[in-house]
Order: sequence, then C-alpha cells, then structure tokens
Amino acid sequence: GAGVSQSPSNKVTEKGKDVELRCDPISGHTALYWYRQSLGQGLEFLIYFQGNSAPDKSGLPSDRFSAERTGGSVSTLTIQRTQQEDSAVYLCASSFSTGGTGQYFGPGTRLTVT
Amino acid sequence: GENVEQHPSTLSVQEGDSAVIKCTYSDSASNYFPWYKQELGKRPQLIIDIRSNVGEKKDQRIAVTLNKTAKHFSLHITETQPEDSAVYFCAASIMGRGSTLGRLYFGRGTQLTVWP
Repeated sequence: GAGVSQSPSNKVTEKGKDVELRCDPISGHTALYWYRQSLGQGLEFLIYFQGNSAPDKSGLPSDRFSAERTGGSVSTLTIQRTQQEDSAVYLCASSFSTGGTGQYFGPGTRLTVT
Repeated sequence: GENVEQHPSTLSVQEGDSAVIKCTYSDSASNYFPWYKQELGKRPQLIIDIRSNVGEKKDQRIAVTLNKTAKHFSLHITETQPEDSAVYFCAASIMGRGSTLGRLYFGRGTQLTVWP
C-alpha cells in the first residue's frame, strides 16, 4: 500500500516568510509525528498527534512553529517568520495507535531558508 | 524525559565481519526499542524492533538484544555487506495501555561503513 507522503519535497524560502509543510499518513494510522533533521544530525522530535487526544507539542522549538491535523488524517506543519536556523529536513511519520508496529517515515521536506 | 545514548558514532568494518552498535536509555518505563537505517538522502527505515518482554530478536543477518536491568540494547549485524553502509539510529519509547505507541526518543546515530 501507499506509504507516508510529504509535500513539497523541497522548499526554498526567504528569511521572514511563512511556510507550510504537508504530511499524508498511511491509511489507517491514527498516530502522526513530526521530526526535524539538520544536516548530519539526529532526529529531533517536534510534535505528536494521537487520535483525538491533545497533541504533544513538547518538542516545538519556538512559538513560530505550529501544527494541525484535520480529520484525523492529513497534517500541516507551519513555520512562521522563518529563520536560517530553521533550515533542515522535516520528516513526518505515522503508526497505528496500537499494536506497536513502529513508526514509518515519509521522504521528508528539505527546507532551505535564505 | 527519556535520554538515549548511542555508541559508537562511527564504525568501519570489513565486508563479512560483524558490527555491533550499542544504546543505553534512562527511563525504566521505556518498553519498546526500534532500530532505523537511514541511507544517504533517504528516509529512516525501520529494520527491527524489540519489546521489553523479550531479550533477543533476530531477522536474518540482524539481531537486537535487550538488557532491561542494565537499561541497554544493541544491534548486531553479521556477515556485513557494502549495502549495509548507512546511518543507524536506535530509539526508545513507552508503549502504553492497549499497545499505544508514544513518541520515540532517538540516539544520535552511528555511521556504519562496510569496506569491500
């Protein structure tokens, strides 16, 4: 079946502009996660949605970052007033809410802030 | 919160040799431990995982061991091949009631290079 998809695959934006990144999870997966990976670095947790529960926003680095998940499926990560340090690959992952089958990652969006 | 440490940060082995990557975790409540392989420019891919109710799990040339008492787990790759070259990440999570999977806490990764 189809895996996690993300769009756009690449985004170049000017400092100070807002960007929206989209994630389509695997069908039937009710848990959705956003991570950030800077060049040559590990995976930094940003936010986690689990069904209808309040999201775990504990990883968001500043109030310029926000995310929504509409209808329990598609999620959008928004970065306002982008800064150069926001440049990274933004990865989305999804999983079944139960069953412990692991998180499956999308291809990521490479964000470059100039 | 949970803290996952991963060693070594780089590992070079000859083709056919074994490779071992080790991780420790701090939160004794963590009970789910996946490993991811990330090739250059690609997404992380789940290669094997283990729950805290078992001590070892194997899948062909890869195996993971877990020591709950010491709070460490390891990835073992036998008969390494050049295509095993990648960055490997360990992670820990708390799986709640009904096997609800929480957020993953990742190690910083190990760059494995297998020389032909």
